[in-house]
Amino acid sequence: AQSVAQPEDQVNVAEGNPLTVKCTYSVSGNPYLFWYVQYPNRGLQFLLKYITGDNLVKGSYGFEAEFNKSQTSFHLKKPSALVSDSALYFCAVVSGGYNKLIFGAGTRLAVHP
Amino acid sequence: ETGVTQSPTHLIKTRGQQVTLRCSSQSGHNTVSWYQQALGQGPQFIFQYYREEENGRGNFPPRFSGLQFPNYSSELNVNALELDDSALYLCASSAVAGEFYNEQFFGPGTRLTVL
Repeated sequence: AQSVAQPEDQVNVAEGNPLTVKCTYSVSGNPYLFWYVQYPNRGLQFLLKYITGDNLVKGSYGFEAEFNKSQTSFHLKKPSALVSDSALYFCAVVSGGYNKLIFGAGTRLAVHP
Repeated sequence: ETGVTQSPTHLIKTRGQQVTLRCSSQSGHNTVSWYQQALGQGPQFIFQYYREEENGRGNFPPRFSGLQFPNYSSELNVNALELDDSALYLCASSAVAGEFYNEQFFGPGTRLTVL
């Protein structure tokens, strides 16, 4: 069965420092991977996706993610964190023959001034 | 371009009642999915509709049902509400079922509380 793991409940980082939010996956076949962000009382916003091609995927708001097939990981990164990046981040994988998303439990990112 | 909208924003029901949640898809999208997000958890897939037909279903009982209309708006109906149904219900639309790597666009959700 397809699954996604986000090993950290919370990540704390100082503003201006690089950030990494970790995600590992387990799929049969080719992985189709996504990152979404959720702000308080808001729905999920799409950040980026990996389908095929370059292992480094660039997305919205300066975020990028690195796909690593050997480590079955898809970590989210940003070179310089902003306080406004503080939110709940979800990694997801497409499952099945249709566009069904399997989400991780989420990682809360806190960026401190 | 209008995004995904959901109504109502909040809803309080009592155990055993029935509820209908509504979603209006983003313009040009013909596929809608519903997710349940319990407090402190990631969203869980309920079901998906494509061209008014159920296209896939997650591990939810039959008392969770849905509809998609010709204008691609959608409803989620839950019968015989249970306390564990309390959650944020998210609707997401995407373009063209079968292209399973298209990103889904989510609405703000409906917060359902069952007392």
